[in-house]
Amino acid sequence: AQSVTQLGSHVSVSEGALVLLRCNYSSSVPPYLFWYVQYPNQGLQLLLKYTTGATLVKGINGFEAEFKKSETSFHLTKPSAHMSDAAEYFCAVRPLIQGAQKLVFGQGTRLTINP
Amino acid sequence: EPEVTQTPSHQVTQMGQEVILRCVPISNHLYFYWYRQILGQKVEFLVSFYNNEISEKSEIFDDQFSVERPDGSNFTLKIRSTKLEDSAMYFCASSAPGGAGNTIYFGEGSWLTVV
Repeated sequence: AQSVTQLGSHVSVSEGALVLLRCNYSSSVPPYLFWYVQYPNQGLQLLLKYTTGATLVKGINGFEAEFKKSETSFHLTKPSAHMSDAAEYFCAVRPLIQGAQKLVFGQGTRLTINP
Repeated sequence: EPEVTQTPSHQVTQMGQEVILRCVPISNHLYFYWYRQILGQKVEFLVSFYNNEISEKSEIFDDQFSVERPDGSNFTLKIRSTKLEDSAMYFCASSAPGGAGNTIYFGEGSWLTVV
């Protein structure tokens, strides 16, 4: 079964500092990979996704993530944190199985930005 | 931008009562989903629905749950006899046909409190 591990349930960085949110997955076949963000009292919004092609993918709000098959990782980064980035971030995978449509989520990482 | 809309945003119900959560998916989407997030826990898949039938469901989605697309626009989740442990945020989602790389779009959620 697919699973997703997000290292660190809480990450705190200073405004302007690098943001690094870690995500590792377990799968015999590399799945499709997604990062979603949840702002307070809102739903889940797609930040970026990797399906095929270039392993470094760029998303909204200056975020990017790199798929590393050898490390089974899909870490999310942003060079310079902004106060508005404070939110909960979820890594998710979608198995490459015929007919499978569901997303499997990690437990989430709450990002706090310090002024 | 098209969005998934959910009603109600918050519902309080007594244990044992039936609850119906409603969703209007994005209009040209053909795959529909329900996920839930118990407070402090990860987002969990409940069920996916395609071509007027359940295409996949999790072990959480037992006989007390049902889904329906009654009129071609709404997609509903019914919980027949609510339990305290059903208290959670329930997210409706939809995606276009095409493949597992397609983005799943989420609504803002319906917060269910069972007392």
